[in-house]
Amino acid sequence: QKEVEQDPGPLSVPEGAIVSLNCTYSNSAFQYFMWYRQYSRKGPELLMYTYSSGNKEDGRFTAQVDKSSKYISLFIRDSQPSDSATYLCAMRANSGGSNYKLTFGKGTLLTVNP
Amino acid sequence: SQTIHQWPATLVQPVGSPLSLECTVEGTSNPNLYWYRQAAGRGLQLLFYSVGIGQISSEVPQNLSASRPQDRQFILSSKKLLLSDSGFYLCAFNQAGVGSPLHFGNGTRLTVT
Repeated sequence: QKEVEQDPGPLSVPEGAIVSLNCTYSNSAFQYFMWYRQYSRKGPELLMYTYSSGNKEDGRFTAQVDKSSKYISLFIRDSQPSDSATYLCAMRANSGGSNYKLTFGKGTLLTVNP
Repeated sequence: SQTIHQWPATLVQPVGSPLSLECTVEGTSNPNLYWYRQAAGRGLQLLFYSVGIGQISSEVPQNLSASRPQDRQFILSSKKLLLSDSGFYLCAFNQAGVGSPLHFGNGTRLTVT
């Protein structure tokens, strides 16, 4: 079983739709959860950052973490064509020392059609 | 504000030629620095990370090396490129401490011909 599983899509939705992106993971030590947005030929951009379980909202974006199910989600409300990108989930354990490694999903390609 | 610069944006190199990709960070001191490679369908692969000047950890044995000659400068190198070195190389940084998220540069697309 892979540490992080993310549906690669592609996912195509009409403008204004609610988008749900998801990742599952197997390592119960993961405590920090991130979502990145990556436009074509650009580096990933940090969208959302959460610690442990719960919800976090920022504008049209909501991140949810369910540690009991080992499942994280990113919701995009009122999706716009400018949201068309690849979305990567990432997570990290709460370990000390020099272990700063993130584990990434492979990304979901989203297209929002005008 | 903290920024990260990575260059060049694209690079085409022949097999057997050397490589040097540079990354610098501004607006912070003593960052952790990272080199990733991203291949289509394979996700992000961590190549090297550094927690301080001259301190380099290698994640994957390969044809590449990394150096950190200054606090906010990270260099990815190769003496002789292979075709398999083609890919999208990303530099990233975060603050020291487990909870700090990564911030990425805009990457270098390397094509080895």
